[in-house]
Amino acid sequence: DIQMTQSPSSLSASVGDRVTITCRASQSISRYLNWYQQMPGKAPKLLIYGASSLQSGVPSRFSGSVSGTDFTLTIRSLQPEDFATYYCQQTHSTPLTFGGGTKVEIK
Amino acid sequence: EVQLVESGGGLVQPGGSLRLSCAASGFTFSSYAMHWVRQAPGKGLEYFSVISSNGGGTYYANSVKGRFTISRDNSKNTLYLQMGSLRAEDTAVYYCATGTPGLSAFDIWGQGTMVTVSS
Repeated sequence: DIQMTQSPSSLSASVGDRVTITCRASQSISRYLNWYQQMPGKAPKLLIYGASSLQSGVPSRFSGSVSGTDFTLTIRSLQPEDFATYYCQQTHSTPLTFGGGTKVEIK
Repeated sequence: EVQLVESGGGLVQPGGSLRLSCAASGFTFSSYAMHWVRQAPGKGLEYFSVISSNGGGTYYANSVKGRFTISRDNSKNTLYLQMGSLRAEDTAVYYCATGTPGLSAFDIWGQGTMVTVSS
């Protein structure tokens, strides 16, 4: 199985901050990496697919990038509605594993 | 409206059984592989099962293999998860999810249904 190591597990940031979350795959997954946002008590919501493609309706302050097996989610200017938990997921091969999550909290 | 609606969760004793359903609407259900993901209280997302669009192929994570069975009825646009020999560690919110063909991501999620295994 492909392991997805996500870091940090949590972070504190202020409105307006630039936030970066990283996910490392245990082997090559090409660009089969997605990012989700989950609000408390809600289902995850797709933000980024294919490592860097923005899902329809998602604000452009969210972006994704890749370098080898390292993937990054960047939130350019954190907004109050962005305080949530973020997960990466690889869809290169079954099982379609998730990273451990990053909780973004208000500083 | 594209929608997945889970049902069937509840409180069950250890060793017991439960069947979850996931009703789909607003898209051609029979063309989509369907997945189950669960989330234990305060924990992350765990992917554990998938069924192909025609039901001919399935996958189970080791954590549920031999105890859970995924199935679907394309005539009823419904996905099922039969859970047996339930353990305390199966306590979680269970989500069904799927993705638009070609997207290779889950852009459609249900609201989740809570399963609690406790005596």
